[in-house]
Amino acid sequence: RKEVEQDPGPFNVPEGATVAFNCTYSNSASQSFFWYRQDCRKEPKLLMSVYSSGNEDGRFTAQLNRASQYISLLIRDSKLSDSATYLCVVNTNAGKSTFGDGTTLTVKP
Amino acid sequence: ETGVTQTPRHLVMGMTNKKSLKCEQHLGHNAMYWYKQSAKKPLELMFVYNFKEQTENNSVPSRFSPECPNSSHLFLHLHTLQPEDSALYLCASSQDRTAEKLFFGSGTQLSVL
Repeated sequence: RKEVEQDPGPFNVPEGATVAFNCTYSNSASQSFFWYRQDCRKEPKLLMSVYSSGNEDGRFTAQLNRASQYISLLIRDSKLSDSATYLCVVNTNAGKSTFGDGTTLTVKP
Repeated sequence: ETGVTQTPRHLVMGMTNKKSLKCEQHLGHNAMYWYKQSAKKPLELMFVYNFKEQTENNSVPSRFSPECPNSSHLFLHLHTLQPEDSALYLCASSQDRTAEKLFFGSGTQLSVL
């Protein structure tokens, strides 16, 4: 079993749609959680951290469920510019970052 | 100037060549990393340096040799590579080894012929 598993995708949605990505992790000692965004042929960039209380940044909402070892990312009112691969990243307290395979989103006009 | 710069952006080399990838970070960070990203695979951590000292080598073959002369610069020396080493090589930095947020360079797309 992979340490970090993401929805395989791809997700193809129309502009304005709401889309949710899921991620599960196997290491119960994991301490911190992130979503990164990677555009085609570009480097990953931090999108947002994920906190136990849930956090929101504009159209993006991240949730963490420690009991179920599950993370989610919700994107509301999708824009064409949201098309990218979204990477779930899980860190241990030793600073080891484990990346998921990524979920590809294509937003169409 | 971007936070983490990598050169070259693209590299084509034969299996007998020797080349080096360069990374420089302007963020005042103390930890630097090399990652490999192959097609349809997740990012794989290769090496970690914290305050210029190598703290992790993730079972990387010896044909990849890292060098970290100071906290701002990181090199990856390549020799006698194989075609399966073709990938995107990404440098990243963070405040320190336990810091959580990684800042990536734009990567070097390497093709080994």
